[in-house]
Amino acid sequence: GAVVSQHPSRVICKSGTSVKIECRSLDFQATTMFWYRQFPKQSLMLMATSNEGSKATYEQGVEKDKFLINHASLTLSTLTVTSAHPEDSSFYICSARDPRSGYSYEQYFGPGTRLTVT
Amino acid sequence: AQRVTQPEKLLSVFKGAPVELKCNYSYSGSPELFWYVQYSRQRLQLLLRHISRESIKGFTADLNKGETSFHLKKPFAQEEDSAMYYCALQTGANNLFFGTGTRLTVIP
Repeated sequence: GAVVSQHPSRVICKSGTSVKIECRSLDFQATTMFWYRQFPKQSLMLMATSNEGSKATYEQGVEKDKFLINHASLTLSTLTVTSAHPEDSSFYICSARDPRSGYSYEQYFGPGTRLTVT
Repeated sequence: AQRVTQPEKLLSVFKGAPVELKCNYSYSGSPELFWYVQYSRQRLQLLLRHISRESIKGFTADLNKGETSFHLKKPFAQEEDSAMYYCALQTGANNLFFGTGTRLTVIP
C-alpha cells in the first residue's frame, strides 16, 4: 500500500528560527501533496495543497511567507516554518494522493510532526 | 459553506455493545464522505468511504442526504476498535474537510 513518511517526527526550535519538515511518498509518485495542521483536541485543518513543479495553493488565512512549501520532486514536499513563534507550535501532518488508487481522491497520511517553538 | 460536525468528543461503550459515532455535514453540492481512524500511536488512515458501501472491520456507514448524516455503526464493539474517529467531507479534488473527531473507548 501507499506509504507516506515525515521527518522529523518531532522538533523543538527557538522563537525566531526556521524549521523544515519533509514529507515523502515512499512507494509511489505523488503529484499532489497536502499539508494539514492540528491543534490539541481539534480537527485537522488544511493549510495548503502542494503541486509538483508549481506553486502551492494556500487556504484562506494561511500566511504564504510564513509557511513555505516546496514540491520539488514527485516524492518530496517540504514545509518550512519561517521565523517561528510559540503560536506556531502544533502538529503538522502531510498527505499524498496515490495515482494508482482506484479512487483518485483518496489521501494517504504521514505520521505527523510535532513542532514546539520555545 | 461546508461543515462537518461530530457532536461527541468522547464515547465509551462496553465490549460487545453496539456503537454509533455521529456525523452530520453541511454542503450544497453532492457530498463525498469518509470515515478516517487513528489508532494509538499510528497515523490517520481511511476506514471507509460512502460510495463503496462497504463494511470494514465490521463498521458500516450510510449516507442519509435527507438528514445530512453519515453515522458510523458497528453492532458489536471490540476492544481493538478503541481509537480516534474522524468524519470527513470531500468537496473537490483537493478539499477534504474533517470533523473534530470522536474518541471511542471500548471497555473490556
